[in-house]
Amino acid sequence: GAVVSQHPSRVICKSGTSVKIECRSLDFQATTMFWYRQFPKQSLMLMATSNEGSKATYEQGVEKDKFLINHASLTLSTLTVTSAHPEDSSFYICSAPRGRYEQYFGPGTRLTVT
Amino acid sequence: RKEVEQDPGPFNVPEGATVAFNCTYSNSASQSFFWYRQDCRKEPKLLMSVYSSGNEDGRFTAQLNRASQYISLLIRDSKLSDSATYLCVVNRAGGGADGLTFGKGTHLIIQP
Repeated sequence: GAVVSQHPSRVICKSGTSVKIECRSLDFQATTMFWYRQFPKQSLMLMATSNEGSKATYEQGVEKDKFLINHASLTLSTLTVTSAHPEDSSFYICSAPRGRYEQYFGPGTRLTVT
Repeated sequence: RKEVEQDPGPFNVPEGATVAFNCTYSNSASQSFFWYRQDCRKEPKLLMSVYSSGNEDGRFTAQLNRASQYISLLIRDSKLSDSATYLCVVNRAGGGADGLTFGKGTHLIIQP
């Protein structure tokens, strides 16, 4: 069964609104979670590392004020896309490491901004 | 040079054939290597880790050449259900629980 869940699986919003995506580890604790984005026919790109109890670490070129990350507990990280625009439409996927190297991915959230 | 490079394909292969994918990575400090499988509009799923000595899991064999920074995946007796995009994945330098760097993927189509 799934070990990492994401909600919502699909969201359509209007330009200028904010969207929150939740990522939960279901039966283990994750002090670190990762947020990725995948545009059509492109590879997954790491956006940021979510750290429980401290600030998220953002990859170069990712605006931290636009993509707000909150690691609220050891099983929950949220990504909020603020003032979304059509170019933010993408497939957003989170992952949580379990053990030293293995990572589990959530099922992804497909965001469409109209 | 891209961090992880793969031939995007598509590879059109008849059912039952053997197919091989290759991948190169640029960061010599990388310590963990994986092949993931991604079906259309789904999240990636771990197919297998890649170990220095090479490893096999059923019809799948993975090889790693650290000197050449090269990873391979061999699929024998391919099935229709093997049709997917295969992602070569490398962890960031330093090992441990770290973000992953994905290749763009190689698209495989198994034909009946």
